[in-house]
Amino acid sequence: AQSVAQPEDQVNVAEGNPLTVKCTYSVSGNPYLFWYVQYPNRGLQFLLKYITGDNLVKGSYGFEAEFNKSQTSFHLKKPSALVSDSALYFCAVRDGVNNNDMRFGAGTRLTVKP
Amino acid sequence: DVKVTQSSRYLVKRTGEKVFLECVQDMDHENMFWYRQDPGLGLRLIYFSYDVKMKEKGDIPEGYSVSREKKERFSLILESASTNQTSMYLCASITQGNEQFFGPGTRLTVL
Repeated sequence: AQSVAQPEDQVNVAEGNPLTVKCTYSVSGNPYLFWYVQYPNRGLQFLLKYITGDNLVKGSYGFEAEFNKSQTSFHLKKPSALVSDSALYFCAVRDGVNNNDMRFGAGTRLTVKP
Repeated sequence: DVKVTQSSRYLVKRTGEKVFLECVQDMDHENMFWYRQDPGLGLRLIYFSYDVKMKEKGDIPEGYSVSREKKERFSLILESASTNQTSMYLCASITQGNEQFFGPGTRLTVL
């Protein structure tokens, strides 16, 4: 089955600085890749996805992610972090061939300090 | 807007009780999922269903079963609740465009 690794439990950045939240994946078929965000006491919200096409995908709230097939990575980025970006971020992968289930990483807590 | 609803936000049960968690989606999605979310472990897939009466085990199916008698409803059953099943349970369904929508979650405490 496919799997996702988020190597950092916690990422801290200063407001206005660029942020990166890392994700690597393992899948036997074509990877469908996703980022979700969970704000405190709220449900998971979809941010962006890569299915095919351009390796750089843009999503909600100014976030973007770059698909890198050779490094099996899909890192989430934002050029200028906001305090309101502080949340729990999850990377997920689905096998584009046997695309029934979806697997998530353990999550990365992003804290943006003023 | 896609809506995924879960029957309870908070639930407290005793060890050994049979527990039913209900999930309903209103967008005719074929695929539905049950996850549990625990700190430091992220979302772990318990079961998923790709059609009525069809189900597949996820990574941690032990102690759980599911039922999908109608397309819109996917139920998670804890046959005999145990304290290690205290967790946040999240239901989701997915669109044809591969966007997954989550319910608000059920925080289950087993005493």
